[in-house]
Amino acid sequence: KNQVEQSPQSLIILEGKNCTLQCNYTVSPFSNLRWYKQDTGRGPVSLTIMTFSENTKSNGRYTATLDADTKQSSLHITASQLSDSASYICVVSDSGGGADGLTFGKGTHLIIQP
Amino acid sequence: NAGVTQTPKFQVLKTGQSMTLQCAQDMNHEYMSWYRQDPGMGLRLIHYSVGAGITDQGEVPNGYNVSRSTTEDFPLRLLSAAPSQTSVYFCASSYFADQPQHFGDGTRLSIL
Repeated sequence: KNQVEQSPQSLIILEGKNCTLQCNYTVSPFSNLRWYKQDTGRGPVSLTIMTFSENTKSNGRYTATLDADTKQSSLHITASQLSDSASYICVVSDSGGGADGLTFGKGTHLIIQP
Repeated sequence: NAGVTQTPKFQVLKTGQSMTLQCAQDMNHEYMSWYRQDPGMGLRLIHYSVGAGITDQGEVPNGYNVSRSTTEDFPLRLLSAAPSQTSVYFCASSYFADQPQHFGDGTRLSIL
């Protein structure tokens, strides 16, 4: 069965510090990996999408990495801000590409303290 | 540009009642999906559609019905509400199948 595991479950850091969130997956075959940010009480918003050939992709202070050989991804947040407090969800798509081919992680709950 | 709009935002139902959760998108997206989000679990797919007139079941379809008569709208119907259906429901859409989805802000549903 396809699985996406995220770690840590929750994380608290001080404003201005950096942090890295992890995503390990066993989805096969692989099409792409997506990171979403979900603010409390809101729907998820796409941060990045990475295909097999992409190792790194940035979106402002967010940088995602992908190692398709070890089936691992990370999301690095630089110089954290209070607005980064949210849940971050890793989603992996199989080669089918449709909604039924998406496997969602449970998310990492990130709290930025002033 | 409204994106994906879900109504209502909150709803309380009694066991056995029925209701329809509304979802509308103004981006001309072909692909639309319904998910439920429960504490400690990832988003789970209920039903999805690849275009007007075409729907299919996801991982947890029991107790729910959908229809897709237009590209814009994808309502989710609870036939006879049960406490196990207490959850936050999200609608999502995308133009292509293998593209990040746009999500609505959810409907928070409590079944008493």
